[in-house]
Amino acid sequence: QVQLQESGPGLVKASETLSLTCTVSGGSIRSYYWSWIRQPPGKGLEWIGYLYYSGSTNYNPSLKSRVTISVDTSKNQFSLKLTSVTAADTAVYYCARIKNVLFDYWGQGTLVTVSS
Amino acid sequence: EIVLTQSPGTLSLSPGERATLSCRASQTVSSSDLAWYQQKPGQAPRLLIYGASSRATGIPDRFSGSGSGTDFTLTISRLEPEDFAVYYCQQYGSSPPYTFGQGTKLEIK
Repeated sequence: QVQLQESGPGLVKASETLSLTCTVSGGSIRSYYWSWIRQPPGKGLEWIGYLYYSGSTNYNPSLKSRVTISVDTSKNQFSLKLTSVTAADTAVYYCARIKNVLFDYWGQGTLVTVSS
Repeated sequence: EIVLTQSPGTLSLSPGERATLSCRASQTVSSSDLAWYQQKPGQAPRLLIYGASSRATGIPDRFSGSGSGTDFTLTISRLEPEDFAVYYCQQYGSSPPYTFGQGTKLEIK
């Protein structure tokens, strides 16, 4: 059974960089696409971006200038960096596996609050 | 960008009743690229339906999906207490590749 677990600071100061890591267990990170999705409190889901285990990426145009997603296959992890954060970036951040264009496995999510 | 609009925003029904949730796309969406997810409070979304009408592994047959083009529907034939949740439609397309509807909250009447 594949499991995903997000980790990283729950509080980030405005204008700084949000950094999260997703650790994949129960399966290899190879041969799949992996994604980050976020959900502001009480609101809907927003796709942030995805990467292939080889390192190729695709980002939401609305966030592209501030987002980097990277992979560490030796640790079975992939990471998210979001620069110049504001209060609008406060959200629960999920990592997920993509299989056949579908998000089939999700992490439990981690709340990141941007403070002023 | 393809915008997905879900209706109603909130649906109030009783257990045993039938629920019909709508997802309308701003442009034609291939049926193979339309999915539905269920999200319960404090949990991650769970894949319910893919390809507009195929149930994901382990999803009860009271859940069904239909539609094509720009209009898609999720139907729950007889509501169970555990079905009260928020439901999102999602499409896979070009730029951006993934968009979600704003969600329909299914609440107990």
